[in-house]
Amino acid sequence: AQSVAQPEDQVNVAEGNPLTVKCTYSVSGNPYLFWYVQYPNRGLQFLLKYITGDNLVKGSYGFEAEFNKSQTSFHLKKPSALVSDSALYFCAVRMFSGGYNKLIFGAGTRLAVHP
Amino acid sequence: DSGVTQTPKHLITATGQRVTLRCSPRSGDLSVYWYQQSLDQGLQFLIQYYNGEERAKGNILERFSAQQFPDLHSELNLSSLELGDSALYFCASSVGGTSNTDTQYFGPGTRLTVL
Repeated sequence: AQSVAQPEDQVNVAEGNPLTVKCTYSVSGNPYLFWYVQYPNRGLQFLLKYITGDNLVKGSYGFEAEFNKSQTSFHLKKPSALVSDSALYFCAVRMFSGGYNKLIFGAGTRLAVHP
Repeated sequence: DSGVTQTPKHLITATGQRVTLRCSPRSGDLSVYWYQQSLDQGLQFLIQYYNGEERAKGNILERFSAQQFPDLHSELNLSSLELGDSALYFCASSVGGTSNTDTQYFGPGTRLTVL
């Protein structure tokens, strides 16, 4: 079955340390993958996307994500976390489902960056 | 600021009532998407309109309906409201209608509380 999964409900990291938020997917055909961030009481903000080409995608606010086809993963990374990065992060995949192309979201991972 | 606007920000109503949520897409975007975010269901795609026509359908209840007007703004109508309809409702927009690579930009959401 086609799906996207975020295996961690919460990730805790100390400020200044590198962070990784995990995402795996299962789709038929080429995957089109997205990361969004949601701050408290705000809408989702687009961070980055992978369509084709270079497996390392750079996005907003210093975030990047690595597409790994063999591991069917698209993990979000940042070399040095900030307290202000604390938010809810969603991975999403564009897939054909129920007769339509849709953007399907993972359950979300809450990132907590501690001073 | 994504450029997508939604009104109202908050809505409190009673069971059995009917409400209308409004969305204005980013300038130049032809597609509007509606999503529901709740604690138990996560972020669920409801419906997409492209240039006035319904393009894709997700987990939208029969009690819910949407439309997109000639000026491209969209309204989501929720009727016979139940307690379980309490959620954050997001609108998103994108340039095109069917491209898998289009980025969806999200509005700030409308928080619906059904008492």
